[in-house]
Amino acid sequence: GESVGLHLPTLSVQEGDNSIINCAYSNSASDYFIWYKQESGKGPQFIIDIRSNMDKRQGQRVTVLLNKTVKHLSLQIAATQPGDSAVYFCAENGSSNTGKLIFGQGTTLQVKP
Amino acid sequence: DVKVTQSSRYLVKRTGEKVFLECVQDMDHENMFWYRQDPGLGLRLIYFSYDVKMKEKGDIPEGYSVSREKKERFSLILESASTNQTSMYLCASSWTPPSTDTQYFGPGTRLTVL
Repeated sequence: GESVGLHLPTLSVQEGDNSIINCAYSNSASDYFIWYKQESGKGPQFIIDIRSNMDKRQGQRVTVLLNKTVKHLSLQIAATQPGDSAVYFCAENGSSNTGKLIFGQGTTLQVKP
Repeated sequence: DVKVTQSSRYLVKRTGEKVFLECVQDMDHENMFWYRQDPGLGLRLIYFSYDVKMKEKGDIPEGYSVSREKKERFSLILESASTNQTSMYLCASSWTPPSTDTQYFGPGTRLTVL
């Protein structure tokens, strides 16, 4: 069935280091992908998105990479800060074209001072 | 900025009570969604609506109903709350594809059913 999964449930990094969070997706028909950040007790917050006609997209301190060959998505956070501590999860739009998204389980990012 | 608001951040109800969770968005989005989020289970879609008075079941609609009388407002109703409905409830909204699939979330309602 359709699923979006993250490789690691928890990622611990030192403040100032770069973080890489990975995501595998299974629906080759998906053409839109999103990364969300969810802080404790809050709703998910949009970080960055990418369409399947791109391999890379950069935002402020974040970069999303898309490898369609192996159906892999990653989020890179440069110079990780304590405020980056949160759960990060990816989502894909699947093949339904209804606006529904398929969400991954999430990776917890812990930033050590 | 897109703003999605939910009527309560925390709610405590008793088993058997009828519970209303309200969600309002201010971006004229066509689509609205209700999810519940539980540890280890991720986000699960309860219901979604793609237009006023239109609704479709998501993955876990049992025990829930919804109402969308106005475009900006989407309500989730627990007809008779049960303890297994204790959860974090998240509302989201989006435009209709192909414009964009991005869903914008509210802050969530932490519901406890005793």
